[in-house]
Amino acid sequence: EDQVTQSPEALRLQEGESSSLNCSYTVSGLRGLFWYRQDPGKGPEFLFTLYSAGEEKEKERLKATLTKKESFLHITAPKPEDSATYLCAVQPDKAAGNKLTFGGGTRVLVKP
Amino acid sequence: KAGVTQTPRYLIKTRGQQVTLSCSPISGHRSVSWYQQTPGQGLQFLFEYFSETQRNKGNFPGRFSGRQFSNSRSEMNVSTLELGDSALYLCASSPSVIRLLPEQFFGPGTRLTVL
Repeated sequence: EDQVTQSPEALRLQEGESSSLNCSYTVSGLRGLFWYRQDPGKGPEFLFTLYSAGEEKEKERLKATLTKKESFLHITAPKPEDSATYLCAVQPDKAAGNKLTFGGGTRVLVKP
Repeated sequence: KAGVTQTPRYLIKTRGQQVTLSCSPISGHRSVSWYQQTPGQGLQFLFEYFSETQRNKGNFPGRFSGRQFSNSRSEMNVSTLELGDSALYLCASSPSVIRLLPEQFFGPGTRLTVL
């Protein structure tokens, strides 16, 4: 069965203190890995799609990387507005359609 | 371009009742997926519809059902509500299956509380 585990569950950072979030996965075959950001009371907001090991994508202070077993989301010099829950999801190779399997998320709090 | 809309945003029901939630995808998107989000289980896939056909289904009991209309709008129904059905129900739409891997765009969700 496909499984996605995110760590840590929660992260407290000072503004400007860079850190990394981990997403480890077990799937029969990976079609793609997604990162989303979710603010309280809102739906997840799409950040990145990664397709193959070695791939990297960047957006502002965020950088996502992918290996064969895990993905990292690096937050460089975070600001308070980066506070959110970050969700990782995988789409297995043999899945029909757009079914995503999500991890439990990492709650990030950035203090000024 | 308008995003995914879901109605109602909040709903309170009692055990045993049934409920219908609605989702309007982004214009031009033909795939609609539904997810349940709870503090204990996180985000879990319910089902996906594409061109009015259910293409994939998660591990939920038959009390959970859905449908999609010709304009791609979708509804999900939960019958005989249980306390454990209290959750945020999220709808996501995506543009096409032809692309390598289409992104899914989520709506704001419907917060269902079962008393």
